[in-house]
Amino acid sequence: QVQLQESGPGLVKPSGTLSLTCAVSGGSISSSNWWSWVRQPPGKGLEWIGEIYHGGSTNYNSSLKSRVTISVDKSKNQFSLKLSSVTAADTAVYYCARGTGGTFDPWGQGTLVTVSS
Amino acid sequence: QSVLTQPPSVSAAPGQKVTISCSGSSSNIGNNYVSWYQHLPGTAPKLLIYDNNKRPSGIPDRFSGSKSGTSATLGITGLQTGDEAGYFCGTWDSSLNAGIFGGGTKLTVL
Repeated sequence: QVQLQESGPGLVKPSGTLSLTCAVSGGSISSSNWWSWVRQPPGKGLEWIGEIYHGGSTNYNSSLKSRVTISVDKSKNQFSLKLSSVTAADTAVYYCARGTGGTFDPWGQGTLVTVSS
Repeated sequence: QSVLTQPPSVSAAPGQKVTISCSGSSSNIGNNYVSWYQHLPGTAPKLLIYDNNKRPSGIPDRFSGSKSGTSATLGITGLQTGDEAGYFCGTWDSSLNAGIFGGGTKLTVL
């Protein structure tokens, strides 16, 4: 079955760029699916960041749109998240997931990214 | 503050039934499908219900979902200690053009 695994730096400096990758195993990222990023700040609820279709079409949360880029690398069977100009408010557990429209399955285990100098 | 409203916590004894509510509006639950997830800290959230009331393969029929108007409900029967976890709802918001989630409900099996 499809499994997802996030990877990337656990610490990012303020004003820097957060970069994460989600490796897809057990299936092809080129299948007819949307691939999403979701985050959960400490003690808060989940926030949808955005999504990408294997063909490259993207949708972003309007609250983050000016700072977010989601891309796909078919050759590596993975997709990525870049979030620029980060602040402490971007500290969160970041999840990647397959799906769209509020239905996501499966999810990665999540990776904690802390924004601090 | 989450767009979808869930009770922070619920509790029940082993073997009993519990329901968890998720309240929204016409721009989200009222006109879109609802999903439910189980989440244990440090693990990947697990899809329990999709399209309001459908269960993915492998999810026992102790878990059920329903929707009425702008609210949805997750039901769990025959509670087990292993059901102690966080549960959250999710859907699409057509006004925000974004996926949205409830704040999550912690289930305690006493």
